[in-house]
Amino acid sequence: EVQLVESGGGLAQPGGSLRLSCVVSGFTFNNHNMNWVRQAPGKGLEWISYISSGSRTISYADSVKGRFTVSRDNAKNSMYLQMNSLRAEDTAVYYCAREVTFSLKGNDYWGQGTLVTVSA
Amino acid sequence: QSALTQPPSASGSPGQSVTISCTGTSSDVGGYNSVSWYQQHPGKAPKFIIYEVNKRPSGVPDRFSGSKSGNTASLTVSGLQADDEADYYCSSFAGGNKEVFGTGTKVTVL
Repeated sequence: EVQLVESGGGLAQPGGSLRLSCVVSGFTFNNHNMNWVRQAPGKGLEWISYISSGSRTISYADSVKGRFTVSRDNAKNSMYLQMNSLRAEDTAVYYCAREVTFSLKGNDYWGQGTLVTVSA
Repeated sequence: QSALTQPPSASGSPGQSVTISCTGTSSDVGGYNSVSWYQQHPGKAPKFIIYEVNKRPSGVPDRFSGSKSGNTASLTVSGLQADDEADYYCSSFAGGNKEVFGTGTKVTVL
């Protein structure tokens, strides 16, 4: 069974940092590109970061570029999101998502999400 | 990158059909046959229901169908059922390994 489990969310102060983790199981992690997607309370989905299967290619949304860093450790079946210089508008549920291998884009499996709250 | 535009809401009676639009630009929806659709029930993670404009992943009923014309993609849910009541999001490849999501549409089954 494919599983993605996020952790590391919580309360952070404006300007602070958090590191999210996404641990996967049930599939060959190093065959898949991965994404982070967030959803602010009551709002829509927002793609924020992509990392290729071998970490060679990384992309960010403009809203987080320069503040967030995505990485992965294929030996540990894990992906990470280091979030620095947090702002109130970063408050959201953060999902990790597995990209399909059979199409250009599309995320076929998602974690349950981890809530990040940025507040003083 | 601006979000793709979806109507905030759509509704239909059980058994009827509802169609949701998703409008982007030639840099995303219009430029690639890489539009996906997701269904999200309250408090749950999104579920992948359409990829490459009109293809269904295994296990997704054929009541869900997709299409595209120019810069606008559409999702049609036929034979509406109570469990189809959810939020629906489109997404598109936007170049440079980036993707952009739609603003979301709340579907109500009357």
